Amino acid sequence: NAGVMQNPRHLVRRRGQEARLRCSPVKGHSHVYWYRQLPEEGLKFMVYLQKENIIDESGMPKERFSAEFPKEGPSILRIQQVVRGDSAAYFCASSPQTGGGNTIYFGEGSWLTVV
Amino acid sequence: DQQVKQNSPSLSVQEGRISILNCDYTNSMFDYFLWYKKYPAEGPTFLISISSIKDKNEDGRFTVFLNKSAKHLSLHIVPSQPGDSAVYFCAASISGNTGKLIFGQGTTLQVKP
Repeated sequence: NAGVMQNPRHLVRRRGQEARLRCSPVKGHSHVYWYRQLPEEGLKFMVYLQKENIIDESGMPKERFSAEFPKEGPSILRIQQVVRGDSAAYFCASSPQTGGGNTIYFGEGSWLTVV
Repeated sequence: DQQVKQNSPSLSVQEGRISILNCDYTNSMFDYFLWYKKYPAEGPTFLISISSIKDKNEDGRFTVFLNKSAKHLSLHIVPSQPGDSAVYFCAASISGNTGKLIFGQGTTLQVKP
C-alpha cells in the first residue's frame, strides 16, 4: 500500500453528526482519489482531486458530501449530517500522474459506522 | 448499472491447483483492466493489469487473459497457495482517466491446504 495514510481507521458517529476522513497521499503524489465500499459490494469511485482542484466528482452524492485537497495538508472527505446508509469503508488512493492503473496506491481505509 | 461484473461471489480450490476468477464488462470504451487483491480490513493491493491491445499478460503465478469480443477477462493463479485466500476485484478504466476505476463486486477465493 506504498504509504497512503488514512485516519481515523475507525470512526463511529451518531446520525446527524459530521464525519471527517483524512488522507495523506504517498509523498510526491499530487493526485488523490476517494472510493467507497458498501457492505457486500465493490469499491465505487467518488471523487478525483489534485492540489486545490476537484477534477472529477461524478461519483459524489449530491448532498452532504464534500472533498478537498488543499495546498498544504491532507485531503479531507467530509460527510455532513450522517445517516445509517453512510456506514461503509472509505478508501483513499494516490498516484503521481494519471497514467496507468498500476500506479494507483490505496490506503488501508477508514471504516465509518453510523449509529 | 453494473458495468463490471464478477458473477461468482466465491471460489474454493485446493492448494497447488489452478484458480480461475472471471470478470465481464459491458462498456466497450474500457481499454485498461486490472486485478486487485484485498484482505479484510486492508486496502486493495494491485496484482496485475492488461491493456486492450493485448490478450494476455503474465507475472509469475498470475496470468490475466482478455477476450475483447466477449468482453470478458479472467485471472489465473497457478499454483494456488493458501496465502492467496482473499477477495479479488476486477477493475476497468478508460485511457486518460485511469485513476477512475470501475470495480466489480469481488470474488472471495479460498485456497485449502
